[in-house]
Amino acid sequence: DAGITQSPRYKITETGRQVTLMCHQTWSHSYMFWYRQDLGHGLRLIYYSAAADITDKGEVPDGYVVSRSKTENFPLTLESATRSQTSVYFCASRLAGGRNNEQFFGPGTRLTVL
Amino acid sequence: AQSVTQPDIHITVSEGASLELRCNYSYGATPYLFWYVQSPGQGLQLLLKYFSGDTLVQGIKGFEAEFKRSQSSFNLRKPSVHWSDAAEYFCAVGASGTASKLTFGTGTRLQVTL
Repeated sequence: DAGITQSPRYKITETGRQVTLMCHQTWSHSYMFWYRQDLGHGLRLIYYSAAADITDKGEVPDGYVVSRSKTENFPLTLESATRSQTSVYFCASRLAGGRNNEQFFGPGTRLTVL
Repeated sequence: AQSVTQPDIHITVSEGASLELRCNYSYGATPYLFWYVQSPGQGLQLLLKYFSGDTLVQGIKGFEAEFKRSQSSFNLRKPSVHWSDAAEYFCAVGASGTASKLTFGTGTRLQVTL
């Protein structure tokens, strides 16, 4: 099915472990985004990417690493997971173009760090 | 920096009653404004968006929103709520420019009683 997918949908890990969350989109959208959703905070931007090999920090980038070697993939890595990174993570994508900036969201990954 | 305030954390309405969800934004220039809906365990789906022009915007599922520049508001309305509208609703403001990053409000959870 075309669209934007995330894997895994659920993940439990331990403090200090490295975790990678995957995001894949089939629309060839230029822009991709990673958000975390926490109660009382809504969605906060972690990192975004304007194209392959171009990434930039969002509002809450500390403790996260991203890469984008291919247009369709945008993995998010927690290098050493902490309990404060327990959250629901959403990936989104959108077309390039200044005014056409509707973002399309994946189903989310629920991450629990013990 | 842009910001969004959704003053109501939780709203309960009866099925068939009208609904208004409040959203106030802060942004120096003409904002791009969005309303997204999130059903339990799902990603976010765009309800409607405002870029310019007519200040009353029609969206999917019978929702509409009105942009009021003088009040820095973009309230979401529906004349008659259905039980399936129970979800969390997010207002977002997008910056102009190529990245067009979105800043989300903290969300309003809508409960519908039968």
